[in-house]
Amino acid sequence: ETGVTQTPRHLVMGMTNKKSLKCEQHLGHNAMYWYKQSAKKPLELMFVYSLEERVENNSVPSRFSPECPNSSHLFLHLHTLQPEDSALYLCASSQAPAGSGNQPQHFGDGTRLSIL
Amino acid sequence: ILNVEQSPQSLHVQEGDSTNFTCSFPSSNFYALHWYRWETAKSPEALFVMTLNGDEKKKGRISATLNTKEGYSYLYIKGSQPEDSATYLCAHSSYNTDKLIFGTGTRLQVFP
Repeated sequence: ETGVTQTPRHLVMGMTNKKSLKCEQHLGHNAMYWYKQSAKKPLELMFVYSLEERVENNSVPSRFSPECPNSSHLFLHLHTLQPEDSALYLCASSQAPAGSGNQPQHFGDGTRLSIL
Repeated sequence: ILNVEQSPQSLHVQEGDSTNFTCSFPSSNFYALHWYRWETAKSPEALFVMTLNGDEKKKGRISATLNTKEGYSYLYIKGSQPEDSATYLCAHSSYNTDKLIFGTGTRLQVFP
């Protein structure tokens, strides 16, 4: 149990569907992250939220839309995805606010997303 | 070096062998170097966060060293056990960013 919970664990959706990934952290952290892990590629940062404000958008297409309603919850809203978006999506949290990368990140188990 | 590079990509060792992997990263504007252990079907787990040149950290049979001037870190596992089988990721951050750049990892398999 890492203190970071992601749901669902698996998601299969068509290209025209709209779905959301959810992440919740119980660690009292103030920064949350979305990463994408594609086959044979390194973990790729998508978004960073610090104190509920988005501080990093790593050139992610607009078909991915993050939302951070409070410091414990993070969502990734998906719509009109492409087959190349099939990947493992990991959420993480850390103690650090933006500008401080010296705190470890705590990861969830991920959502395995398949686009048909 | 512009990205984080890890070698080898994969490694197979016998139980009881000691092993080590390398992480290379950009040495300019260095802030921190992270090591994570990622077992199959689980979440990545933080092992070490290192910030000082020459730093050495240890956790049980696993230790890591850091050279920020030349841009590399070594991870050592002494007396490997089957439960050490996992992918070991390193990640680098620069000043004034909360962004970690990850390597592709070293996949370790320890055979009994």
